[in-house]
Amino acid sequence: DTAVSQTPKYLVTQMGNDKSIKCEQNLGHDTMYWYKQDSKKFLKIMFSYNNKELIINETVPNRFSPKSPDKAHLNLHINSLELGDSAVYFCASSPQPDPAYEQYFGPGTRLTVT
Amino acid sequence: AQSVTQLDSQVPVFEEAPVELRCNYSSSVSVYLFWYVQYPNQGLQLLLKYLSGSTLVKGINGFEAEFNKSQTSFHLRKPSVHISDTAEYFCAVTPQGGYQKVTFGIGTKLQVIP
Repeated sequence: DTAVSQTPKYLVTQMGNDKSIKCEQNLGHDTMYWYKQDSKKFLKIMFSYNNKELIINETVPNRFSPKSPDKAHLNLHINSLELGDSAVYFCASSPQPDPAYEQYFGPGTRLTVT
Repeated sequence: AQSVTQLDSQVPVFEEAPVELRCNYSSSVSVYLFWYVQYPNQGLQLLLKYLSGSTLVKGINGFEAEFNKSQTSFHLRKPSVHISDTAEYFCAVTPQGGYQKVTFGIGTKLQVIP
């Protein structure tokens, strides 16, 4: 009964490839997020969606494109992968976009670009 | 813009000893403050949060934190740690209200020594 799930858990790919990471939450939350955690454990928000609409878009290369087909899913597509994209990507959700609400994190997807 | 400083990257402590993990923040507006914990190979989990009211906040697993507005601090404490508390701890801050992003600190690795 996983609350926030991500697939795949591990992703190893070569530079220049295109890949997608999927995220699903079964908590009935309105808001979902993508975070990137680098090798030094620094966690930075990339995107946030509320009811399928983009509400936070940090300075992220346009090779990264989030897609929210419905409010339970937020996928991340990455074009032309680069070495610097190697990181752990976390999906999260919260009941509403008000930051007072707790964010529930998925287990992460470890992306390795070779 | 807001920022978070976690003053210690690693904190070793013996089992059953007390621990304090330090966090200072900077913001020109009122904020919410959080502590999240990340166990190895897992996503983040909320330990506790300060929104308003009492400056002493109690969380899960016996942790507590004190909001000090004059010192712009939100230090995390536990009177007696267990081996299972070994994890990475993240302090986070966000401005109150609206569609605001949460800014995370770089994390403090708590190493409990048997």
